[in-house]
Amino acid sequence: ETGVTQSPTHLIKTRGQQVTLRCSSQSGHNTVSWYQQALGQGPQFIFQYYREEENGRGNFPPRFSGLQFPNYSSELNVNALELDDSALYLCASSSNRGRGYTFGSGTRLTVV
Amino acid sequence: GIQVEQSPPDLILQEGANSTLRCNFSDSVNNLQWFHQNPWGQLINLFYIPSGTKQNGRLSATTVATERYSLLYISSSQTTDSGVYFCAVGGTGANNLFFGTGTRLTVIP
Repeated sequence: ETGVTQSPTHLIKTRGQQVTLRCSSQSGHNTVSWYQQALGQGPQFIFQYYREEENGRGNFPPRFSGLQFPNYSSELNVNALELDDSALYLCASSSNRGRGYTFGSGTRLTVV
Repeated sequence: GIQVEQSPPDLILQEGANSTLRCNFSDSVNNLQWFHQNPWGQLINLFYIPSGTKQNGRLSATTVATERYSLLYISSSQTTDSGVYFCAVGGTGANNLFFGTGTRLTVIP
């Protein structure tokens, strides 16, 4: 079975720009979650998508938005980038069979 | 949200030594996972263990849900075990994981 794949692996953006990160879920998984991991910290939950709708959100502003597609892949969009948005962004997929989450390798975003 | 505390924050071991990492959490959980984050950032799932004991090679884990803690045992450590180990939990009805701040393990040859 294929795992969770994310693209791009690295990205450098300028403050104020917009960015789109992509994630393909593991085969058989219908739920996608996004996490932000700042340097030296544990990952923080951004939001989750199930059946193409947002299914829970962490403490992140509305300029963080997402999409899920019929094939369960997902996008994370961040508008008006700030320096503090520099982080590793992790995508995780899961099924409704309760066997936990599988994470991708992440996208490392640097905002300058 | 659920508070997750991991200890110790840092651990340095000689290759071949054994270690125990601890995770305490503040509420009932229906999901608990141990992850190893490699130097490239990927979170590798080690165990899905909301309760009970599991073993996988040199690694084993035990979760005592009623006492709100989990332990990860690493035996005969190798340099490739180095990295950050995270415990993450999900509450009943929750759709996300709460992560601890991790234990940074360094195994020296």
